[in-house]
Amino acid sequence: EDQVTQSPEALRLQEGESSSLNCSYTVSGLRGLFWYRQDPGKGPEFLFTLYSAGEEKEKERLKATLTKKESFLHITAPKPEDSATYLCAVQGTGNQFYFGTGTSLTVIP
Amino acid sequence: EAQVTQNPRYLITVTGKKLTVTCSQNMNHEYMSWYRQDPGLGLRQIYYSMNVEVTDKGDVPEGYKVSRKEKRNFPLILESPSPNQTSLYFCASSFGSVAQYFGPGTRLTVL
Repeated sequence: EDQVTQSPEALRLQEGESSSLNCSYTVSGLRGLFWYRQDPGKGPEFLFTLYSAGEEKEKERLKATLTKKESFLHITAPKPEDSATYLCAVQGTGNQFYFGTGTSLTVIP
Repeated sequence: EAQVTQNPRYLITVTGKKLTVTCSQNMNHEYMSWYRQDPGLGLRQIYYSMNVEVTDKGDVPEGYKVSRKEKRNFPLILESPSPNQTSLYFCASSFGSVAQYFGPGTRLTVL
């Protein structure tokens, strides 16, 4: 069964303190791995799509990487406005999407 | 502006009273989907549609119905809502296996 596990559940960082969020997945034939940001009371906002192991994508202070079993979202020198819940999702050979339960990130000034 | 809209945004109802949550997208996306989000369980897919007149069950379809008569619209129907359907609901759309665009959410309370 396709499955996504994210860790840690919550992460508190000082402003400027870099860290990584983890997304482990099991899927039959990966068609795509997706990272989203979700602010309280809002819908998820797309960040990245990764399609194959070894692929990397960057956007401002965020960098996503992918291996055959997991993905990392690296946050470099975070700012308070990066505080949000970060969601990981996969799509396998079927047409369904499977989401993890997210990592709640708090960046303290 | 490219967007997914949902209505209503908030709804309080009683057990057994049929309701419909509408979803519309203006991006000509083929793929549309409904999710529910519950604390500790994350986003779970209820139903999805690959195109007009094509719908499939997701992980948690019990108690829900959908229809896709037009490409832009994908309503979610609760024929006889129950308290365990109290949740935050999101509609999303995309071109296949690329980024999904999510609506703003509908917070449903069933008493």
